[in-house]
Amino acid sequence: AQTVTQSQPEMSVQEAETVTLSCTYDTSESDYYLFWYKQPPSRQMILVIRQEAYKQQNATENRFSVNFQKAAKSFSLKISDSQLGDAAMYFCAYRVGGSEKLVFGKGTKLTVNP
Amino acid sequence: DAGVIQSPRHEVTEMGQEVTLRCKPISGHDYLFWYRQTMMRGLELLIYFNNNVPIDDSGMPEDRFSAKMPNASFSTLKIQPSEPRDSAVYFCASSFGGGQADTQYFGPGTRLTVL
Repeated sequence: AQTVTQSQPEMSVQEAETVTLSCTYDTSESDYYLFWYKQPPSRQMILVIRQEAYKQQNATENRFSVNFQKAAKSFSLKISDSQLGDAAMYFCAYRVGGSEKLVFGKGTKLTVNP
Repeated sequence: DAGVIQSPRHEVTEMGQEVTLRCKPISGHDYLFWYRQTMMRGLELLIYFNNNVPIDDSGMPEDRFSAKMPNASFSTLKIQPSEPRDSAVYFCASSFGGGQADTQYFGPGTRLTVL
């Protein structure tokens, strides 16, 4: 069974600094997709960034970027120039190609200190 | 678009009562998902539909849980009878399936408390 592991239950960062959240996954599939979702205190799950496994180039969305290491099955999220509004739970998620099922990690709580 | 709409946002009920959670997906989306979030188990997929048809209900915890999608714009998740261990946040999400990295859009969730 596919699993997603986020080894950092909590992280903190100073405003304007950079922070990296870790995620590893276990799969035997070659066709899959990876996602980072953000859940602020409002509870709404918001897609931050996604990566197709067949793409070698790391995905980037403004201040958010990923470091996708396929061989190591690692998918970390880097947040640059952290802002107070980035404070939230961050969930890494995996979906195998051809399936609609998302498997989530347990999440990392990010605190941004002013 | 208004996004995925869920109601109620909060529900408090007593053990043994029937609970119905409602969801309106984003117009045009053909996939609908129900998730449950708890501290212990994180986010779990309960069931999902494609074009109103249940595709995978392997995550439904037991027979007390049932889900329906009578049309493309409405789905319900029912718990009967409810138990304290059902207390959780229940999310509905929808997506437009197409074989690519389809994004699931989540509703605001329903926080259920069973006393």
